[in-house]
Amino acid sequence: DVKVTQSSRYLVKRTGEKVFLECVQDMDHENMFWYRQDPGLGLRLIYFSYDVKMKEKGDIPEGYSVSREKKERFSLILESASTNQTSMYLCASTSGGYEQYFGPGTRLTVT
Amino acid sequence: AQSVTQLDSQVPVFEEAPVELRCNYSSSVSVYLFWYVQYPNQGLQLLLKYLSGSTLVKGINGFEAEFNKSQTSFHLRKPSVHISDTAEYFCAVITAMEYGNKLVFGAGTILRVKS
Repeated sequence: DVKVTQSSRYLVKRTGEKVFLECVQDMDHENMFWYRQDPGLGLRLIYFSYDVKMKEKGDIPEGYSVSREKKERFSLILESASTNQTSMYLCASTSGGYEQYFGPGTRLTVT
Repeated sequence: AQSVTQLDSQVPVFEEAPVELRCNYSSSVSVYLFWYVQYPNQGLQLLLKYLSGSTLVKGINGFEAEFNKSQTSFHLRKPSVHISDTAEYFCAVITAMEYGNKLVFGAGTILRVKS
């Protein structure tokens, strides 16, 4: 079974802190994604990576950056966390086909 | 750009009753459609997908969906729901990007099954 893991299930940070969310997949997938999930808005794509060190902006990249130094790991970085970044963050991966495999999510609260 | 509309934000239903969760997508030449389920405090799990072929797609846990090109719909159905089906359901469509494909999601429908 494909396994996508995220480093934390729940995270509480203060405004202005730098925040790292980590995602690891064990199926040698080329493509990895970071989504943000908010009530009534569904999931929105923040960033996408199609190879090591390669990234593309999604629909809502403002306030976020990403890093992919190894194929299995994709990190989402909040350079200076703000309260409007309080949300559920979901990581996903795919081999390039159509089905994406999701991690359990990280619920981030910024106070 | 592709888009998806889920017509109901919440659907309450009694146990063992049938349910339909509605999804409409924006028209395109080729369309690939998905339903995902999210149980409380979990990530998303694929229920079923339509890529081509038969318009009636069967998925896990007794769910099925019908692709209707003329009505640009992909409604999800189950003939008899269980308490354990209580979850949020997301309809999604594939959109091509320069270096791959991305999923565009609807806003979600919360299914509440009551005893």
